[in-house]
Amino acid sequence: DSGVTQTPKHLITATGQRVTLRCSPRSGDLSVYWYQQSLDQGLQFLIQYYNGEERAKGNILERFSAQQFPDLHSELNLSSLELGDSALYFCASSATLAGESYEQYFGPGTRLTVT
Amino acid sequence: GNSVTQMEGPVTLSEEAFLTINCTYTATGYPSLFWYVQYPGEGLQLLLKATKADDKGSNKGFEATYRKETTSFHLEKGSVQVSDSAVYFCALSDLMDSSYKLIFGSGTRLLVRP
Repeated sequence: DSGVTQTPKHLITATGQRVTLRCSPRSGDLSVYWYQQSLDQGLQFLIQYYNGEERAKGNILERFSAQQFPDLHSELNLSSLELGDSALYFCASSATLAGESYEQYFGPGTRLTVT
Repeated sequence: GNSVTQMEGPVTLSEEAFLTINCTYTATGYPSLFWYVQYPGEGLQLLLKATKADDKGSNKGFEATYRKETTSFHLEKGSVQVSDSAVYFCALSDLMDSSYKLIFGSGTRLLVRP
């Protein structure tokens, strides 16, 4: 058990809909990363938050957004869903401090199926 | 930009065989290197890491050495078990655009037969 929790575990929804994925980092970790795992694109970085502030953006579509709350949990919002958004979405947390890199611990993922 | 290349899978071995999964990287700076493992239906687990040249990461019988001269971080295990069947991902992390995001290889599926 990594200490990172994600809900829900599975999500099935229709095209055009909007969903919210939730992540709680390990206790004390200030950084949250979101990744997408799909068959055609592999594992790709989407976005990072650090202590409530957006730190970096990767290959994240404009239809997707995220935020990190004062209690450090994070949500990834996916809107106007398309079939191609079907994937496994992971969140990871780390104790990143300025100038240091720490390993990232991953949650179990949310499997999104868009029908 | 930074990238990671892994050998194509699947790799099929008999129990107790020697395992090598090749991983090479391209990086502009001095990245940290990681191996993650994904068991069927589960998330990613950190297997081992190395943060500087010549460091050897090890865990659960797996080893990998950070080779700067060959830009490689090959994963090895002397004697695999059926329970090692999983997908293995090599990854690097380096400070880019204010983030230590992970850049992953495409993953290598390992299947160990009894």
